[in-house]
Amino acid sequence: AQKVTQAQTEISVVEKEDVTLDCVYETRDTTYYLFWYKQPPSGELVFLIRRNSFDEQNEISGRYSWNFQKSTSSFNFTITASQVVDSAVYFCALSEVYGQNFVFGPGTRLSVLP
Amino acid sequence: DTEVTQTPKHLVMGMTNKKSLKCEQHMGHRAMYWYKQKAKKPPELMFVYSYEKLSINESVPSRFSPECPNSSLLNLHLHALQPEDSALYLCASSPRRGAGDEQYFGPGTRLTVT
Repeated sequence: AQKVTQAQTEISVVEKEDVTLDCVYETRDTTYYLFWYKQPPSGELVFLIRRNSFDEQNEISGRYSWNFQKSTSSFNFTITASQVVDSAVYFCALSEVYGQNFVFGPGTRLSVLP
Repeated sequence: DTEVTQTPKHLVMGMTNKKSLKCEQHMGHRAMYWYKQKAKKPPELMFVYSYEKLSINESVPSRFSPECPNSSLLNLHLHALQPEDSALYLCASSPRRGAGDEQYFGPGTRLTVT
């Protein structure tokens, strides 16, 4: 069975600090996809990134970066120089090729204080 | 246009009422989803439509009845709901129902059952 763990329930940082959100997953499939979504207070989930299991290259998009390590089954997300607008709940999700659905992790609530 | 729209934004209904939630996308996506999200929890999958046919029903009670009139529209008909059904209902779409297809979410309908 597939499973996603986000051990940090809530994180608070002060604006301009860097913050890393952890995601650890479990799967028996060799082919799978990992996702990060952002859910601001408005409620809409916003797609941030997708990674497939064969692509371990780290990705950077502006202040956002992602570190995918198959050896530790982790797909961590770092926000550099955080801003108040980054305050949201962040979900990591796993989708297996031979599985049925997205499995979301429990989410990490990030609060960025001015 | 990468938008999924949902109406209404908020809905309050009594346990004997019948109401419907609507979802629309114009991205040409052929898979559409309904999720239920309780406070401080990740979204839980309810239904998946693929090419306008119901492909997954996650053991959802029959008081929730989905309908996909065409490839752009998805409805969720509600009847005789219980107070515990109060939640944020999210609609999503993806190009296909593939493991690697990212889902695009609407803003949700916040439902309160009294």
